[in-house]
Amino acid sequence: KAGVTQTPRYLIKTRGQQVTLSCSPISGHRSVSWYQQTPGQGLQFLFEYFSETQRNKGNFPGRFSGRQFSNSRSEMNVSTLELGDSALYLCASSQDSGHQETQYFGPGTRLLVL
Amino acid sequence: QKEVEQNSGPLSVPEGAIASLNCTYSDRGSQSFFWYRQYSGKSPELIMSIYSNGDKEDGRFTAQLNKASQYVSLLIRDSQPSDSATYLCAVLYSNYQLIWGAGTKLIIKP
Repeated sequence: KAGVTQTPRYLIKTRGQQVTLSCSPISGHRSVSWYQQTPGQGLQFLFEYFSETQRNKGNFPGRFSGRQFSNSRSEMNVSTLELGDSALYLCASSQDSGHQETQYFGPGTRLLVL
Repeated sequence: QKEVEQNSGPLSVPEGAIASLNCTYSDRGSQSFFWYRQYSGKSPELIMSIYSNGDKEDGRFTAQLNKASQYVSLLIRDSQPSDSATYLCAVLYSNYQLIWGAGTKLIIKP
């Protein structure tokens, strides 16, 4: 079974631009979560989508948004990029069966904002 | 109080020794607990999950859960230099949100 895939893997943008990142979950997984990770920081939870609905949301400004499609693929968008948005953005999928919620991560998208 | 707490380290352990990583959490209703390993520049990968009190062993790794004391630990036996990484503890809270610790950096010294 193929793992979680994320595109693009690397991205360079300038301040003020917007960016869209994509995540394809493991086949059969219905939940997709997004995280931001900066050097020396733990995983900062952005949001979680399940069946095309945002189920949980972290403490990020409204510039960060996401969506999920009917095939469970998800995208996140960051508008009006700031230097502090430079980070590794990780997507994780889970089957969401029962209470186990084991999450499997993609390789991440490394975003650099200049 | 942070929801899931881990000692940030670094924790330095000689090769061949036992590495002990600890994690405490605040939600007594939590039922699912996970340990992930993250190498520098890579994404986290699942090592073990544990749901019941007691020990769960998988090769050189043992997860220990004590719900009464609200802690979960990970023991790595016969530590190898390849075990050097950051170890993340994650706890599924009773509101079904997965809460992450900040991670413990482990260094295995040859």
